[in-house]
Amino acid sequence: NAGVTQTPKFQVLKTGQSMTLQCAQDMNHNSMYWYRQDPGMGLRLIYYSASEGTTDKGEVPNGYNVSRLNKREFSLRLESAAPSQTSVYFCASSELAGGLTEAFFGQGTRLTVV
Amino acid sequence: GEDVEQSLFLSVREGDSSVINCTYTDSSSTYLYWYKQEPGAGLQLLTYIFSNMDMKQDQRLTVLLNKKDKHLSLRIADTQTGDSAIYFCAESKGTYKYIFGTGTRLKVLA
Repeated sequence: NAGVTQTPKFQVLKTGQSMTLQCAQDMNHNSMYWYRQDPGMGLRLIYYSASEGTTDKGEVPNGYNVSRLNKREFSLRLESAAPSQTSVYFCASSELAGGLTEAFFGQGTRLTVV
Repeated sequence: GEDVEQSLFLSVREGDSSVINCTYTDSSSTYLYWYKQEPGAGLQLLTYIFSNMDMKQDQRLTVLLNKKDKHLSLRIADTQTGDSAIYFCAESKGTYKYIFGTGTRLKVLA
C-alpha cells in the first residue's frame, strides 16, 4: 500500500524556470492538499481540492497553480520559480469519517531555487 | 499556521516526561490533532481528541484540552530517543482544511 507518492524528491531550479510537482494517492480519498514547510512557519496550505473537479486557494497560493487531474492525482505547478519558493513541499490526502479527518502525507519534495 | 501557535523547541532527558503546548483560535473545531514528523519524512497522525473531551490517554501519550483557553497539550511519558521529532498540533476548519501549528522540535538527550 503506497499511500501518497510525490515526485520528485529533490529538485534544483534556476530563477524563472518552471516545473510541476506530481502527487498521487491510492486510498480513494476525495480531498487532496499541497503544503509548503518553512523553518519556524510550520505547514502552510497552498491549494486544496475538496473533491475531484474542484480546487481552492489556501493561505499562500501566489506563484502556484494546481490541477486535479482525476481522483488520484493532484499536481502543483510553479510557472516562474523564485528564490522565495525554496521550501519543502508536501502533498496530502484525506477522507472525512464522522467528522474526523486523518491526513496522509507524502515524503515531501525539497525544492531549491537559485 | 498563523492561527495555531506552538513553541519552537523543547529539550528533555531520556526517561523524563515531555509536554508540548499549543494554542489555537477556532473554537468550532470538532477535532484537534497531534502529528509527528520524523527527519526526512512526511507527517503522520499521532493522536487526536474530540472537542467535547478534556483528556485522552493512549499508552505513553496524554492529550489535554482546555476549550475555554483554547489550549491543547501533548504529554509524552518516559520519553525515548525515538521520540525525537517535530510535533505539530492541528485543527480542522470546515470539513476539509487543516490548520497546522508552527511545530515543536523535540530533542531527547541520552
